[in-house]
Amino acid sequence: KAGVTQTPRYLIKTRGQQVTLSCSPISGHRSVSWYQQTPGQGLQFLFEYFSETQRNKGNFPGRFSGRQFSNSRSEMNVSTLELGDSALYLCASSLAAANEQFFGPGTRLTVL
Amino acid sequence: GEDVEQSLFLSVREGDSSVINCTYTDSSSTYLYWYKQEPGAGLQLLTYIFSNMDMKQDQRLTVLLNKKDKHLSLRIADTQTGDSAIYFCAETGGYQKVTFGTGTKLQVIP
Repeated sequence: KAGVTQTPRYLIKTRGQQVTLSCSPISGHRSVSWYQQTPGQGLQFLFEYFSETQRNKGNFPGRFSGRQFSNSRSEMNVSTLELGDSALYLCASSLAAANEQFFGPGTRLTVL
Repeated sequence: GEDVEQSLFLSVREGDSSVINCTYTDSSSTYLYWYKQEPGAGLQLLTYIFSNMDMKQDQRLTVLLNKKDKHLSLRIADTQTGDSAIYFCAETGGYQKVTFGTGTKLQVIP
């Protein structure tokens, strides 16, 4: 069974631009969560989607948004990029309940 | 809000046991996890424990949970150089909102 895939793996943007990151969960997994990892703040929860509905959201500004499609694939969008948005963005999928989350390799976003 | 604390660094000799500790504040935690992250990679789930258990063993890994003190530990027996990585403790009370610790960098000295 293929693991969680994230595209692109690396991205360079400039301040003010917007970016869309994609995550394909493990086949059969309906829950997708997104996390931001930075050296200063560590791993922080962004949001979680299940069956196309956002079930939970972390403490991030409205510039961070996401969605989930009927095939469980998820996208995350960041608008009006700031330097502080430079981070590794990790996606994780699980079947349903909060037990085993499987992480993708992440998308490394650099904002210049 | 929920908080998970870990020490930042641990150094052990190859062949010794490693013990990584974690404390958490959320008394409603249902699942507690240990993840491993190698350089440039995502997180790999090592093991998890339900809050109604106090111990779980999986090959070289032993997880101990003291629910009263909200203390979780991961013991790695016969530590190898390939175990060098950052280890994250995490907890959740449900709905996938997982709170991670700061991570403990394990250095294994040959």
